[in-house]
Amino acid sequence: QVQLVQSGAEVKKPGASVKVSCKASGYTFSNYYIHWVRQAPGQGLEWMGMINPTGGSTTYAQKFQGRVTMTRDTSTSTVYMESSSLKSEDTAVYYCARDHFGMGSYYYWGQGTLVTVSS
Amino acid sequence: SYVLTQPPSASVAPGQTARITCGGNNIGSKSVHWYQQKPGQAPVLVVYADSDRPSGIPERFSGSNSGNTATLTISRVEAGDEADYSCQVWDNSVDHPVFGGGTKLTVL
Repeated sequence: QVQLVQSGAEVKKPGASVKVSCKASGYTFSNYYIHWVRQAPGQGLEWMGMINPTGGSTTYAQKFQGRVTMTRDTSTSTVYMESSSLKSEDTAVYYCARDHFGMGSYYYWGQGTLVTVSS
Repeated sequence: SYVLTQPPSASVAPGQTARITCGGNNIGSKSVHWYQQKPGQAPVLVVYADSDRPSGIPERFSGSNSGNTATLTISRVEAGDEADYSCQVWDNSVDHPVFGGGTKLTVL
């Protein structure tokens, strides 16, 4: 069965960086883009960007360009999302997600990683 | 970029029908997806491509999309349906997805 398993919660100080992982299993890793979506406390879902596991090309939401980097390791079927220059407003649950039906929806989700930015 | 508008909250009595709207400019020309999210959990896709249901989603969940409004309808509402519901489309002008702000459904 398809699984996306994320790394554990992180606490960071303002200005620091964080790297969250998302390990995929149960399917051919190269066949599906992995997307990152975050959700600040009490807020809605916000798309951050996506990575093509084949070749590693990325697309970022304009808001995150220059501050977020997505990479992948094909040998372990793992995708990473690194966010730098963290601010308190970056406190959120970060999810990786994948399509299934080919319609631009997200059927498979990781369990989420809480990143807390606090001095 | 494309904006999706949802009412922040809705309420319904058990056994009744809940209708949650998602407004957007000519949204009827786009494919709309709906997610259910309970506290502390990842979102769950309940309707995709306007009106299709993934396996395991009860038939009580249905969707429609026309003009400037898409609607998620939950029939015979149960206490377990209390959750946040968000709509989502793919914005072809910027080639990335857009989410609505979410609607908190309360079962009275």
